[in-house]
Parts: sequence; C-alpha cells; structure tokens
Amino acid sequence: ETGVTQTPRHLVMGMTNKKSLKCEQHLGHNAMYWYKQSAKKPLELMFVYNFKEQTENNSVPSRFSPECPNSSHLFLHLHTLQPEDSALYLCASSPQTSTSGTDTQYFGPGTRLTVL
Amino acid sequence: GQNIDQPTEMTATEGAIVQINCTYQTSGFNGLFWYQQHAGEAPTFLSYNVLDGLEEKGRFSSFLSRSKGYSYLLLKELQMKDSASYLCAVRDSNYQLIWGAGTKLIIKP
Repeated sequence: ETGVTQTPRHLVMGMTNKKSLKCEQHLGHNAMYWYKQSAKKPLELMFVYNFKEQTENNSVPSRFSPECPNSSHLFLHLHTLQPEDSALYLCASSPQTSTSGTDTQYFGPGTRLTVL
Repeated sequence: GQNIDQPTEMTATEGAIVQINCTYQTSGFNGLFWYQQHAGEAPTFLSYNVLDGLEEKGRFSSFLSRSKGYSYLLLKELQMKDSASYLCAVRDSNYQLIWGAGTKLIIKP
C-alpha cells in the first residue's frame, strides 16, 4: 500500500465509449500526476497538477481530459480512444512539484486499459 | 534529446549479487531515482542519489557518477521476491523526471 489508490484496476472499452479513471491519495500531498506506461517503453508523463492547478500537459491528445477537484482526487476522462491508447495508466502524488530536495513520487497500482 | 538507457532484461540466481546499470544524458541533473515495480503493481521508491558515491540501504545499494552520467543499483543476497522491473529516473534542470524503460530482473532458484 502506497497511500495512492486507483479505480478501476482494469477497464475494457470500445472506441466510442466514454469512461473515467479515478485516483485518490491519502498522503496529504499537493501534487498529482498521470502517467502512461506501455510495454518496454519509459513512463510517459501526461498531466501534472500542483495545488489543484494544471502545470503540465505534455502534448496529450484531447481525447484525454484530466480533472482535479481537490488535492486528494484526480480523474482522467476518456472518450473516443484509439487501440494504441491501450496501456497501464498510473497515478502518482508528491508533496509538491519539486523544485528542490528529494520529493519522491508515490504511485498507485494503475488502471490496465484495453481499447477495442 | 534526453535519454536514459538501461538493459531490457537480466537474469540472476537466488542468493547471488546483481548490478543493474543506468546511463543518462539529460538537460541538467537534479537527482537520480530507482524504483521497483512488480508485475501488475505500483512502482515503489527504492533510492535517491544526488551526490557522487554509494548509498546503501540493506540489501540494496545505489551508486552515482555525475561526471560519467552513470548509476547502478546493486542487489545482494537475491531473493525470489526481487523478481521485478527496476526503473531508473533522472530529474532534469526543469525538475522533470525523465524515465528509463526499466530492467526486468528474473531470479532463478
């Protein structure tokens, strides 16, 4: 248990579906992150929120839409996805977006997404 | 561009020692992290190096040479539960984490 939970753990959806991924952290952190993890590839940072404000959007297609209602919760809304979007989606949190020190990111177990 | 290189897969024997290397080329350097990720689970933090030298934590040690752009993770007295992927990540000058693709470590009895 890392203090970061994600639901659902597995999701299968068609290209025309709309679904949402949820992340919750119980660590009192102020920064939250969405990553995409594909087999044998480095983690790809998608979005960063710091104190509920989006500070990073790494050229992610608009079919992925993040939402951060408060510092403890993060959502990733999905619509009209493509089969190549199938991957493990990881959520992480840290005390804040780091400008110094050893701020470590704590990860959730991920949502395994399959797009048919 | 920024790049982190680590071997894709390694195999070692239970009870032995294994060294997983990581080389990096990044825009600036503000620390290097090692994470462990068991299949289907969250990556979990193992170690952090920002100064040259060796950091030891029980059976695991991590080494850094900033001049060479090089780090390694040393695992001693290997146990079957050490079978996992090991991720190397470097924090660049913008404090962004740049990740390697991970090294899958297979432990055999």
